[in-house]
Amino acid sequence: ETGVTQTPRHLVMGMTNKKSLKCEQHLGHNAMYWYKQSAKKPLELMFVYSLEERVENNSVPSRFSPECPNSSHLFLHLHTLQPEDSALYLCASSQDLGRGYEQFFGPGTRLTVL
Amino acid sequence: AQKITQTQPGMFVQEKEAVTLDCTYDTSDPSYGLFWYKQPSSGEMIFLIYQGSYDQQNATEGRYSLNFQKARKSANLVISASQLGDSAMYFCAMREGRSSSNTGKLIFGQGTTLQVKP
Repeated sequence: ETGVTQTPRHLVMGMTNKKSLKCEQHLGHNAMYWYKQSAKKPLELMFVYSLEERVENNSVPSRFSPECPNSSHLFLHLHTLQPEDSALYLCASSQDLGRGYEQFFGPGTRLTVL
Repeated sequence: AQKITQTQPGMFVQEKEAVTLDCTYDTSDPSYGLFWYKQPSSGEMIFLIYQGSYDQQNATEGRYSLNFQKARKSANLVISASQLGDSAMYFCAMREGRSSSNTGKLIFGQGTTLQVKP
């Protein structure tokens, strides 16, 4: 595996379900990110982790719970979601947090909440 | 205030021709970075090109070049010799040096959908 991988690629869940999204980066990067992409809206940054420490929580509802057990893995735990949470969830990583470091993205998980 | 503005929701270009995708930005931070990403229908965001605010020359990467006009706060992407595979959504993004130095935060524009006609 190379780059940034995400599983599952598609997820349909009910509002009472609990599920988790997984992201893995094989680039040796120190920073990882979760983004939400809703239809007709710019990408919204949700969480940032640097060296497994959360450095940004962008006013995200508590029904989204991130976890970063090591610098290669990032999870997004989901529970009691709402239909408006349906979106494409993208994971990204970068070498570091500085302004010049590009972020490499995974293919995303397309989430549908019924 | 919107920090990244992409005014073209959709663009068409004939195969093998060049196309310019517009991006303007707003920041008071003297240190910032500008990025362009491509998002095909598969969903993955693909990094294309980077321009630093202190870079003297416009960035180029193969068929991609960035027309950086600092005084106008614009960072337009130029794609030369368009190919059918260039059909995708294109996003301009900015990372400010001061406010995001501890978070790596990228601010994205709304995106431009490019369709290349055969």
